[in-house]
Order: sequence, then C-alpha cells, then structure tokens
Amino acid sequence: GESVGLHLPTLSVQEGDNSIINCAYSNSASDYFIWYKQESGKGPQFIIDIRSNMDKRQGQRVTVLLNKTVKHLSLQIAATQPGDSAVYFCAENMTGANSKLTFGKGITLSVRP
Amino acid sequence: DAGITQSPRHKVTETGTPVTLRCHQTENHRYMYWYRQDPGHGLRLIHYSYGVKDTDKGEVSDGYSVSRSKTEDFLLTLESATSSQTSVYFCAIKGTALYHGYTFGSGTRLTVV
Repeated sequence: GESVGLHLPTLSVQEGDNSIINCAYSNSASDYFIWYKQESGKGPQFIIDIRSNMDKRQGQRVTVLLNKTVKHLSLQIAATQPGDSAVYFCAENMTGANSKLTFGKGITLSVRP
Repeated sequence: DAGITQSPRHKVTETGTPVTLRCHQTENHRYMYWYRQDPGHGLRLIHYSYGVKDTDKGEVSDGYSVSRSKTEDFLLTLESATSSQTSVYFCAIKGTALYHGYTFGSGTRLTVV
C-alpha cells in the first residue's frame, strides 16, 4: 500500500549528522506538546514531550525546543542513525477534561548512509 | 504495542457493506480514540470516548459511528463503506493524568473496493 510518508516534506541528512525537524503549531492556548515517530507499517510512537512552562527538554539523543512567542516546536536528533528514518509528527494539546491531541501533517526524515 | 490491540490488521471490503473495527486495551485507561491516516495527511480524529458509553465526534466523523460498552473495547463502525474510507485506522488510549501522551495501536489497513 502507499506509504504514509509520500507527499510529505522530506528532510534528508547524512548518517552521523544532527537533524532538526520543525513544526508550527496552531493554538496559542496549547500547553502540552509531543513528538511522535512513525515507522513504516507501525503506529506512532512517543518520543518526547514538553509542557508550556518549559522551553527545552532533553532525552536520549533528542531535544525538544519550544518557542511560544512564534508558536514553534522543534525536535533535534543528535548523531542521526539509519534507524531514525521515519515520519515525525508534532502534536499539541490544551490540557483539561476530555482534551484531544491535534497532530501536524508530519515530516519524513531520510538518513543517508 | 503493549496494552492495545487492533483487529483486524487488514481488511478488504466492498462498497456499501458494513464494517466494524475493534480496539482492545488492557491498561484500564479512560480515554480511547479512533484516527484515520491517509497519504500526505497527519492523523485525523474520527471519534473518541472519555468513558463507558461516553463518546464524542472528532473532525472527520461523517460516515462513522462508535460504541464503548466496556472500558477495554472501543468499536468503530462504517455503516456503509465507501471508497473514500479506504485508509489506515489507528486506535489510541490515554490515562487520566494531565500530561500524558497517547499510546497507539498498530493500525488496521482498510481497503474499500
């Protein structure tokens, strides 16, 4: 079947380089943000999250930056590996009863050996 | 994916036939969601549930209905399938903690011919 990654913007990086994936979110009232990774044929997997009272959060090889002034979110992946090749989605949420995540359209990350 | 199972994984059906997709969780989470994913699009919310017998519409609910008679099961029904409903369908679950991401199932690929 057709890959979910087709028709999406693609970021191509050399193995070992750092990757930066950007996302613009829409709701200035959103207070919780998540990055998901989706490999072909699988469901999205949680990578890292950040609350709106923070502007940076680090995980293992990944860092998320949040700029609320311009409603911008970025995911940095250090020393990109072939296994990082996937579609990446940002998601935003305004926490509260029965809140729902709203997902961006996604970006395909392609790692060149 | 741990704690969440979708069935069937693949289905081909004819236009006009009813189809039911099942999402089963073992996490006892309150919230459950159905999304569809199409090439070039992010995840779009169809319906969600915030408890047994409590459901609400998402952004692309036309042509779909849902039921949740038990905490662990969330069913998505296409009353009369159309070719535009050919898609990959993902179920997701979430606990009641405010800052908590979704856990996704592995998806159901539905083809309507």
